[in-house]
Amino acid sequence: RKEVEQDPGPFNVPEGATVAFNCTYSNSASQSFFWYRQDCRKEPKLLMSVYSSGNEDGRFTAQLNRASQYISLLIRDSKLSDSATYLCVVNLAHRPSNSGGSNYKLTFGKGTLLTVNP
Amino acid sequence: DARVTQTPRHKVTEMGQEVTMRCQPILGHNTVFWYRQTMMQGLELLAYFRNRAPLDDSGMPKDRFSAEMPDATLATLKIQPSEPRDSAVYFCASGQNKDGRFSGNTIYFGEGSWLTVV
Repeated sequence: RKEVEQDPGPFNVPEGATVAFNCTYSNSASQSFFWYRQDCRKEPKLLMSVYSSGNEDGRFTAQLNRASQYISLLIRDSKLSDSATYLCVVNLAHRPSNSGGSNYKLTFGKGTLLTVNP
Repeated sequence: DARVTQTPRHKVTEMGQEVTMRCQPILGHNTVFWYRQTMMQGLELLAYFRNRAPLDDSGMPKDRFSAEMPDATLATLKIQPSEPRDSAVYFCASGQNKDGRFSGNTIYFGEGSWLTVV
């Protein structure tokens, strides 16, 4: 099983639609969770962090279910500018470092392509 | 605006040639990642460094790939000899990691090196 799995997509929706992306992760020791956005031929950028209690940023709502190891992103009233690839990201403790503390690495899902049509 | 700088932006090379990609992380960041992105595999972590020490290069084909960080302002990824299957976008990213969390809850990506091996 892959460490982070997402809906394969692509999603094509009309402007104003609500769209939801889902993601599952395999390692229950994962520490923190994020959604990144990647525009065509550009680098990924942080969209929002995902907190256990769920969090909202304008039209975007992220939720985390640790018991099910499941993360979601909901986009309401979608805009043309929301067209992009959405990447689910998990921060996992890698292994204890020799100098104390833990080391963490970010693992990305393959992403889900969203196209919002006029 | 502080940003991660990668060179070259684009590279076309013949199979068997050596390719060196360079990355200048954001000043003050203690963690540097190398990712490779393809349509089939998405973003794969190749290697990462913390305080210039290599922590994980398990995602990297050891026989032909090598990653180094000769100083805090330079990370390199070398492929020798290159093969057509190495064609991909190679992203460098940096972040400031303290106690398992990245400052700003994010890592910052460079614009990528677009490699084509023919």
